Amino acid sequence: SQTIHQWPATLVQPVGSPLSLECTVEGTSNPNLYWYRQAAGRGLQLLFYSVGIGQISSEVPQNLSASRPQDRQFILSSKKLLLSDSGFYLCAWSGLRYEQYFGPGTRLTVT
Amino acid sequence: QKEVEQNSGPLSVPEGAIASLNCTYSDRGSQSFFWYRQYSGKSPELIMFIYSNGDKEDGRFTAQLNKASQYVSLLIRDSQPSDSATYLCAVRSNDYKLSFGAGTTVTVRA
Repeated sequence: SQTIHQWPATLVQPVGSPLSLECTVEGTSNPNLYWYRQAAGRGLQLLFYSVGIGQISSEVPQNLSASRPQDRQFILSSKKLLLSDSGFYLCAWSGLRYEQYFGPGTRLTVT
Repeated sequence: QKEVEQNSGPLSVPEGAIASLNCTYSDRGSQSFFWYRQYSGKSPELIMFIYSNGDKEDGRFTAQLNKASQYVSLLIRDSQPSDSATYLCAVRSNDYKLSFGAGTTVTVRA
């Protein structure tokens, strides 16, 4: 069965510091992968998606970037965090019918 | 902009009653429709998906789709306190992405 992992689970970072969030998927090959952000009390905002190694599509211009160095690894990064980057970051993969399955998430607080 | 609209709630229902959640979408070409449940502090969990007009039942959950009216709903029968959560509607048009509604918060009163 497929499993999706995210780490860290929680993170507190000062403004201006760098960020690296990691997502890995097990049990499937060449999945479509997604990064979302959910601000407190808000809906899901799609940040990036990837259909293959090295293929990244950005949905929202901002100070975040994504990379997919391996088939089942998706990384979200920032060089300098802003207060507005606080939120719940979710990684997801999609199945054969385009349904998406989410990882446990990383709760980021920028102070 | 592909929009998905949901009543934010909160929707409060007594235990054992039917909870009815509604979702409308703007893109008439939308092809697939999904319902997710999200407990507070947790990630969304897929409940059901539906592609064709009509009803689809899975246990206590029924999804209803009306493409002509651009409307999809979720019924939760025999609501339980464990159903208290935020329910997200998601819609896929013709690409790899899903558009999510902001969610409806449901509270089941014991």
